[in-house]
Amino acid sequence: DGGITQSPKYLFRKEGQNVTLSCEQNLNHDAMYWYRQDPGQGLRLIYYSQIVNDFQKGDIAEGYSVSREKKESFPLTVTSAQKNPTAFYLCASSMDTDTQYFGPGTRLTVL
Amino acid sequence: AQSVAQPEDQVNVAEGNPLTVKCTYSVSGNPYLFWYVQYPNRGLQFLLKYITGDNLVKGSYGFEAEFNKSQTSFHLKKPSALVSDSALYFCAVRDTGRRALTFGSGTRLQVQP
Repeated sequence: DGGITQSPKYLFRKEGQNVTLSCEQNLNHDAMYWYRQDPGQGLRLIYYSQIVNDFQKGDIAEGYSVSREKKESFPLTVTSAQKNPTAFYLCASSMDTDTQYFGPGTRLTVL
Repeated sequence: AQSVAQPEDQVNVAEGNPLTVKCTYSVSGNPYLFWYVQYPNRGLQFLLKYITGDNLVKGSYGFEAEFNKSQTSFHLKKPSALVSDSALYFCAVRDTGRRALTFGSGTRLQVQP
């Protein structure tokens, strides 16, 4: 997990509320990624960014938004449009070697 | 589109015995393959990868993986399992277009003392 931090570790959301998950890296990596993990389904790509001020939708982007204003930071907002947001969220980063390094994760629960 | 299959939800092995966690893949072009391990409520830790070269790849914590192009497989192996190896293991293939990873559904490894 070293070099990539995610906060908070646990997050609770009420219906209709937007919440933002933080991801910061000090590895000087260009690319950053957000994945969602549900039991028995592996990880699914939400959004990714290969460079500052640019990002692309992944496979399950609906109901999520991101920004990449700084190389070190890639926050994820879970909007009220995401109907089933309860999951474990993982942020990752990589350089050109393609190996992605993951943060410790944020567990989001809808109350 | 690329895909990864991990056919076993769980693998049970006795401590000291060899272990194998299976992975098959489907991808156009040359595959970039990865193995990660996840302990409860933690992020994924990188174990090893295959990009090119030797079909037998050595990684962290005594793990290795064998790339087999004809069988499109990339099985994870360890000669002697430890109880501390008990965890969730993910195989992944890199998407050649967007440089993200496509993951298998994971295999839970249980090593009994």
